Amino acid sequence: DAKTTQPPSMDCAEGRAANLPCNHSTISGNEYVYWYRQIHSQGPQYIIHGLKNNETNEMASLIITEDRKSSTLILPHATLRDTAVYYCIVRVRDAGNMLTFGGGTRLMVKP
Amino acid sequence: GAVVSQHPSWVICKSGTSVKIECRSLDFQATTMFWYRQFPKQSLMLMATSNEGSKATYEQGVEKDKFLINHASLTLSTLTVTSAHPEDSSFYICSASYLGDTQYFGPGTRLTVL
Repeated sequence: DAKTTQPPSMDCAEGRAANLPCNHSTISGNEYVYWYRQIHSQGPQYIIHGLKNNETNEMASLIITEDRKSSTLILPHATLRDTAVYYCIVRVRDAGNMLTFGGGTRLMVKP
Repeated sequence: GAVVSQHPSWVICKSGTSVKIECRSLDFQATTMFWYRQFPKQSLMLMATSNEGSKATYEQGVEKDKFLINHASLTLSTLTVTSAHPEDSSFYICSASYLGDTQYFGPGTRLTVL
């Protein structure tokens, strides 16, 4: 699986949009971009994933550049409960293909 | 939908004893389950991958005789830590997926070995 690069930490004001970047310049054509987050002492929570097109669900939006070498996860109105470590992972959707977790971005939402 | 549970959520045991952790997919069939371990202030590290009805595939450096994994049904996988020692104290997390689709994670089990 392609490696990803994320900033180690970010701050965001409560109520504002949080934009979390991820670089995956070596992504292959059949690799998806997945985002998970881990709140302290809990298992990771799935947020969203995409291949080429931008995606939106009730939690977030995922913007993937046209060349697919980078993406941005957008939390439109961050709350204190969104404070967590956010992981950007690229993987092929294969039955045995595990997720490889890097360091992620520690997002701190401040009042 | 896509709920994965783990039991117990935390366990304390004496050195030398064995501990079993259960992972269940509650609303979907998990053809593949994964077991991860996370030490404090570190990221998740994959321990093993198991497909229903097959032997688990362990990552390099993970002792298969110490960490016994059973995936006997499409909704249940178990991880048994045999002869646990203090260095096995960690946060153990399972995930489940159906035919390579999105992985969903359990809430984790915190193991403390005294």
